[in-house]
Amino acid sequence: AQRVTQPEKLLSVFKGAPVELKCNYSYSGSPELFWYVQYSRQRLQLLLRHISRESIKGFTADLNKGETSFHLKKPFAQEEDSAMYYCALEGGQGAQKLVFGQGTRLTINP
Amino acid sequence: DGGITQSPKYLFRKEGQNVTLSCEQNLNHDAMYWYRQDPGQGLRLIYYSQIVNDFQKGDIAEGYSVSREKKESFPLTVTSAQKNPTAFYLCASSTGLAGRSETQYFGPGTRLLVL
Repeated sequence: AQRVTQPEKLLSVFKGAPVELKCNYSYSGSPELFWYVQYSRQRLQLLLRHISRESIKGFTADLNKGETSFHLKKPFAQEEDSAMYYCALEGGQGAQKLVFGQGTRLTINP
Repeated sequence: DGGITQSPKYLFRKEGQNVTLSCEQNLNHDAMYWYRQDPGQGLRLIYYSQIVNDFQKGDIAEGYSVSREKKESFPLTVTSAQKNPTAFYLCASSTGLAGRSETQYFGPGTRLLVL
């Protein structure tokens, strides 16, 4: 079964500190993985996808197939990073059916 | 943010009543999706449609129905068979052209409450 696990419901770090949001997945094939973010009073939106190997707003995420992980990292957290973050897996069944993790609420303290 | 609209923002359902949530998009997207969001559970896929006049069940379709008569519209009906309908419902769309790595664009959501 396809599954995405975000072990931390809440994560709080100080401004300027490194931040890592954990995501582990369960999928037997070749996964497509995403991070979606929801800022306060805004819609859920794509932050980044692993296939693009991009850095968005200073965030990066590396797919580790050996550890089945796709952790989101940023070296220096900013207050505007406070938001709800969701990791999502596309399981390759012909349509883009996303399986979401439970989400992690990140709070950056000044 | 005006690409996908959902209405109403809040919806109240009485026992045994069917209610319909509206989702409209002007992005010319082929694919549309309905998700249910419950606290601590992330988003779960209810139904999705890759093209007009076609749709498939997602992971939690029981008690829900949809239609896709127009490209821009994908209404969700919560039927009386759905015993626990209280949740936040999100609609999304994507081009349907880029395959598995597509971006999904989300609406603002509808909160359904049971009276």
